[in-house]
Amino acid sequence: AQSVTQLGSHVSVSEGALVLLRCNYSSSVPPYLFWYVQYPNQGLQLLLKYTTGATLVKGINGFEAEFKKSETSFHLTKPSAHMSDAAEYFCAVSASYGSASKIIFGSGTRLSIRP
Amino acid sequence: KAGVTQTPRYLIKTRGQQVTLSCSPISGHRSVSWYQQTPGQGLQFLFEYFSETQRNKGNFPGRFSGRQFSNSRSEMNVSTLELGDSALYLCASSEPGTSEAFFGQGTRLTVV
Repeated sequence: AQSVTQLGSHVSVSEGALVLLRCNYSSSVPPYLFWYVQYPNQGLQLLLKYTTGATLVKGINGFEAEFKKSETSFHLTKPSAHMSDAAEYFCAVSASYGSASKIIFGSGTRLSIRP
Repeated sequence: KAGVTQTPRYLIKTRGQQVTLSCSPISGHRSVSWYQQTPGQGLQFLFEYFSETQRNKGNFPGRFSGRQFSNSRSEMNVSTLELGDSALYLCASSEPGTSEAFFGQGTRLTVV
């Protein structure tokens, strides 16, 4: 069975500081991993995805994530936080590439940016 | 391309009533999945439809049902509404052969 654990329900950083949102996954098969962002009263927007190949994945808005199989982690980073990054972030896993069904989401991390 | 469109955006219903939510996927996408988002339970998978057939189902009671039409548009229905059904219902569509899901803005259902 697949699952994801997001460490920290709330992260607060200063504008311009490094953003690090942590995600660990559990999967009995090679996982397909995603990070989504959700702004208030909006749906989910895909930030980036890992399927196969390069373990450092670059996404939109300057975010990137590194797949580390030995640590079963897929942490999300951004070198310099911007006020517009304030949102909720979800790590997700799918065991089935070729189907968007049954994506398993983490509990989410709310990112706040201090001026 | 237009994105995933969900209607209506907001709904208020009374306990015991039923409700139907609609989702129009991105053109060319044949898979539509539905998710329920609540503060307590987070994002939970409801069901997936592909080519008018339910392909996967989450762990929800039979009061939750759905269907998909030949143009890939999908509806979900919740009967005998309970207060606990208050949630943001999200629809996602995907292209055949990928697991990248594109989400709509959701329908906020409030049961009073």
